[in-house]
Amino acid sequence: AQSVAQPEDQVNVAEGNPLTVKCTYSVSGNPYLFWYVQYPNRGLQFLLKYITGDNLVKGSYGFEAEFNKSQTSFHLKKPSALVSDSALYFCASHSGGYQKVTFGTGTKLQVIP
Amino acid sequence: GAVVSQHPSRVICKSGTSVKIECRSLDFQATTMFWYRQFPKQSLMLMATSNEGSKATYEQGVEKDKFLINHASLTLSTLTVTSAHPEDSSFYICSARDLQGAAGNQPQHFGDGTRLSIL
Repeated sequence: AQSVAQPEDQVNVAEGNPLTVKCTYSVSGNPYLFWYVQYPNRGLQFLLKYITGDNLVKGSYGFEAEFNKSQTSFHLKKPSALVSDSALYFCASHSGGYQKVTFGTGTKLQVIP
Repeated sequence: GAVVSQHPSRVICKSGTSVKIECRSLDFQATTMFWYRQFPKQSLMLMATSNEGSKATYEQGVEKDKFLINHASLTLSTLTVTSAHPEDSSFYICSARDLQGAAGNQPQHFGDGTRLSIL
């Protein structure tokens, strides 16, 4: 069975500082890992994904994530946070076929001006 | 990019009313669509997986007769909340996966959600 964990309900960071939103996973086989962002009263938007290849993946809006197989982690990072980055972030694991996506519980990112 | 249109964005209605929510893939064919429910400050709860031309697969604990799903074409899935009650008030989100996404290595495409409020 797949599972994705986001240990922090909320992360607060000052504008301009680096940010990290944590995610760990437990999946069988090769993981397909994704990060999505949700703004208030909106659906989810795709940020980035790891399928294979380089462990550091870059995505939209300056975000990146590092896949760490030994620590089973896929933390989301950004070198310099913006107030507009404040949103709800979901880590997710996809699988092939018609199987469902497994979402983490979400982390609310608050960037303080 | 792939766009999913969800309509309506907000519904306020009386208890006992049935409400239909539409989810359309605008520029791709979606063989599979997913319906989620999201409670305040919580993650998405998958309600059902909708496959074009076949019956939806419901998650455990989701009432099939309460939440009717129809996926009659490759671009449209509908969720009907029958005889809605205040406890059905929630944020409902659909997502769609195109043919390339069946392998799991492509992102899902989400609608903007429907805020359902039952008085």
